Amino acid sequence: EPEVTQTPSHQVTQMGQEVILRCVPISNHLYFYWYRQILGQKVEFLVSFYNNEISEKSEIFDDQFSVERPDGSNFTLKIRSTKLEDSAMYFCASREGTSGHTGELFFGEGSRLTVL
Amino acid sequence: AQSVTQPDIHITVSEGASLELRCNYSYGATPYLFWYVQSPGQGLQLLLKYFSGDTLVQGIKGFEAEFKRSQSSFNLRKPSVHWSDAAEYFCAVGNQAGTALIFGKGTTLSVSS
Repeated sequence: EPEVTQTPSHQVTQMGQEVILRCVPISNHLYFYWYRQILGQKVEFLVSFYNNEISEKSEIFDDQFSVERPDGSNFTLKIRSTKLEDSAMYFCASREGTSGHTGELFFGEGSRLTVL
Repeated sequence: AQSVTQPDIHITVSEGASLELRCNYSYGATPYLFWYVQSPGQGLQLLLKYFSGDTLVQGIKGFEAEFKRSQSSFNLRKPSVHWSDAAEYFCAVGNQAGTALIFGKGTTLSVSS
């Protein structure tokens, strides 16, 4: 069964460093998302991406964040200068774009980011 | 404002007992509703979804949920809970367009023997 894959599963970084989290969405999906979950809290939307551009973003997704689809398969989230409060589990998700689909997001297993 | 409310932060149920997890939503458009489950250290797995048709939907692992438009609710139920059901459960709302799903804060389910 096709799945969303994320790397790395866990990354530890120093405050102020740049981090890139990588995702390979399901191959025929057209919409891509990043969510994050701070430990013990709810899953929060960061950004959605469609047709090679950001289609929606939350107030969390400030200038420190960027997303890119550098090739036909990867979808990346970059944090330019990490802060302690960026420590969280980051989930990538994708969904179909065809008419009649049910709106379901398929999630990866997450990348845990720890900022020291 | 669009939102999802899961009133119960933590629920403990005896193994074999029935379960109901509550979810209420506020959404301007016709909602698509989802329940996801997250086991410790794992990603989010879809349990079931509602987007049209029969308001009682069946999902995986013996779960079901009922959409009640008049109450803006989409409660999750299971007639007999198993110890392996202990996890975090998230209700989410979205629509057919590419807009992001909005998640509730989650309900932690503990199962006692």
